[in-house]
Amino acid sequence: GAGVSQSPSNKVTEKGKDVELRCDPISGHTALYWYRQSLGQGLEFLIYFQGNSAPDKSGLPSDRFSAERTGGSVSTLTIQRTQQEDSAVYLCASSPWDSVTEAFFGQGTRLTVV
Amino acid sequence: AQSVAQPEDQVNVAEGNPLTVKCTYSVSGNPYLFWYVQYPNRGLQFLLKYITGDNLVKGSYGFEAEFNKSQTSFHLKKPSALVSDSALYFCAVRAYGNKLVFGAGTILRVKS
Repeated sequence: GAGVSQSPSNKVTEKGKDVELRCDPISGHTALYWYRQSLGQGLEFLIYFQGNSAPDKSGLPSDRFSAERTGGSVSTLTIQRTQQEDSAVYLCASSPWDSVTEAFFGQGTRLTVV
Repeated sequence: AQSVAQPEDQVNVAEGNPLTVKCTYSVSGNPYLFWYVQYPNRGLQFLLKYITGDNLVKGSYGFEAEFNKSQTSFHLKKPSALVSDSALYFCAVRAYGNKLVFGAGTILRVKS
């Protein structure tokens, strides 16, 4: 596809369940970001992948959160034992290897924990 | 460490008046600066960026931004606001090879 694709677009899960959120970046983009946005608030950085370098996981809020990027392309954000405070929109973005090109965002996954 | 500050949670302007949304940054090395806009229930859209060169950059929808190195600022401006400009605006900074860091966002409300 031409843009960043995220799935599912909406996810409702019960408290305590695990969820997986998927991001398909733009082909050829080596940088991939995950952010979290609560109720139209600011963007909370979660994790950053850049090529084959070790990911920057400094934004992950707890050890319930993890992410991987397979083959330098698709990324999966996993939240274990979901809590109500995990409810938010999870946004993925990708950009080329250079630092001067803007990042392109997906439409996000709205996660609701009930 | 990189950081971005957007000192105003909300900016209110009347339609037709000029608008400014403020952004200051902190980064080691040369900054790459970006503005994004988010309309209700929509994803983030890129507006404009400063990489190097002319301090005044122009972007989409008539927006422009001025890079001021001495004040470490990158304020977003538009000469004449439209009601349709009402949205959430984010400033972001990146140093070479580093992650993209966003400010907290500023809600712009343009009233007719």
